[in-house]
Amino acid sequence: EPEVTQTPSHQVTQMGQEVILRCVPISNHLYFYWYRQILGQKVEFLVSFYNNEISEKSEIFDDQFSVERPDGSNFTLKIRSTKLEDSAMYFCASSGQDMNTEAFFGQGTRLTVV
Amino acid sequence: AQKVTQAQTEISVVEKEDVTLDCVYETRDTTYYLFWYKQPPSGELVFLIRRNSFDEQNEISGRYSWNFQKSTSSFNFTITASQVVDSAVYFCALSEANRDDKIIFGKGTRLHILP
Repeated sequence: EPEVTQTPSHQVTQMGQEVILRCVPISNHLYFYWYRQILGQKVEFLVSFYNNEISEKSEIFDDQFSVERPDGSNFTLKIRSTKLEDSAMYFCASSGQDMNTEAFFGQGTRLTVV
Repeated sequence: AQKVTQAQTEISVVEKEDVTLDCVYETRDTTYYLFWYKQPPSGELVFLIRRNSFDEQNEISGRYSWNFQKSTSSFNFTITASQVVDSAVYFCALSEANRDDKIIFGKGTRLHILP
């Protein structure tokens, strides 16, 4: 069964460093998303991406964040200068070609900023 | 605006008991989707169900069942004959319109099944 794959599963980085989280969405999907879950809290929407541009972003998704689809398969989330409060689980998701299709989530990347 | 409320922060039941997780939602749209996800201790989000706003039929899948009541804006989830492996955090979620854009999650209910 096709699945969304995220790498790495766990990343530790020093405060102020740049970090790139990687995702390989399901191959024929057209809509891509990043969500964040701070430990013990709810899952929060960060950004959606369609047709090579951001379609919607939340207030969390400030100038420190950027997304990119550098090739036909990867979808990345970059945090330019990490802060302690960026420590969270980051989930990538993708959904299909048609409307009315569900979003599939990756297994998540746990980011720890020290 | 969209909002999902899971009033139960934490529930503990003894194995084999039935348990119902409550979910109440708010939306102005007439077309929307409701979801339940399970998050086991390993951290991944496991999709359980998606229900569109025009389908109020209750659904049963094995020991799981869902009760969608549009009149009360509720989408409750019942686990029958609970098992220890059901221990997890369960999230109810909502998205508006016909695309799964911007899924709004509730705060989750942590379910402990005691042996």
